[in-house]
Amino acid sequence: AQSVAQPEDQVNVAEGNPLTVKCTYSVSGNPYLFWYVQYPNRGLQFLLKYITGDNLVKGSYGFEAEFNKSQTSFHLKKPSALVSDSALYFCAVRPPGGNTGKLIFGQGTTLQVKP
Amino acid sequence: GAVVSQHPSRVICKSGTSVKIECRSLDFQATTMFWYRQFPKQSLMLMATSNEGSKATYEQGVEKDKFLINHASLTLSTLTVTSAHPEDSSFYICSAIAGGPYNEQFFGPGTRLTVL
Repeated sequence: AQSVAQPEDQVNVAEGNPLTVKCTYSVSGNPYLFWYVQYPNRGLQFLLKYITGDNLVKGSYGFEAEFNKSQTSFHLKKPSALVSDSALYFCAVRPPGGNTGKLIFGQGTTLQVKP
Repeated sequence: GAVVSQHPSRVICKSGTSVKIECRSLDFQATTMFWYRQFPKQSLMLMATSNEGSKATYEQGVEKDKFLINHASLTLSTLTVTSAHPEDSSFYICSAIAGGPYNEQFFGPGTRLTVL
């Protein structure tokens, strides 16, 4: 079955330190990969996506993610965390083929950045 | 570009009443929209795929007669929660595909439904 896993319910980092939010997927073929952020009582905001090409993708607000095909991972990273980065982060995968645009979401990871 | 709005942002209703939530793509035409439900601190659960001019495709376990979806135009989809009950209280989020080769989804801000 196709799935996305975010193994950490919560990640805690100190402001100014680098952060990593992990994501692995189980999808056959070459999927499209996305990261979204959600602030309380808000919809999802797009951060970045991987379609093809360079494995390191840069996105909004200084975030980046590295696609690793052999490890089927797409971890989200930021060199220096801000308190305002504290939010709920979702990894999502669009399986290849078909034309529906459906996404499979991970369970989400709460990022807590402390001053 | 690619802005999706939802109305209302929050609604409180009595048990047994029906509630309509609108999802609009403001600056693009969306042939496909999605409706999600999200419980506190949980992931998004896809409820249905809404296609303009045709019947919605519901995910397994989602009651079609309970959650009525209408996609009457390329910029508007509505979700009506019929005969709402307290267990229907949730955060409902829509998204729309802006077209293009990657079918990227853009999300609305969500609607908080509370059924008393």
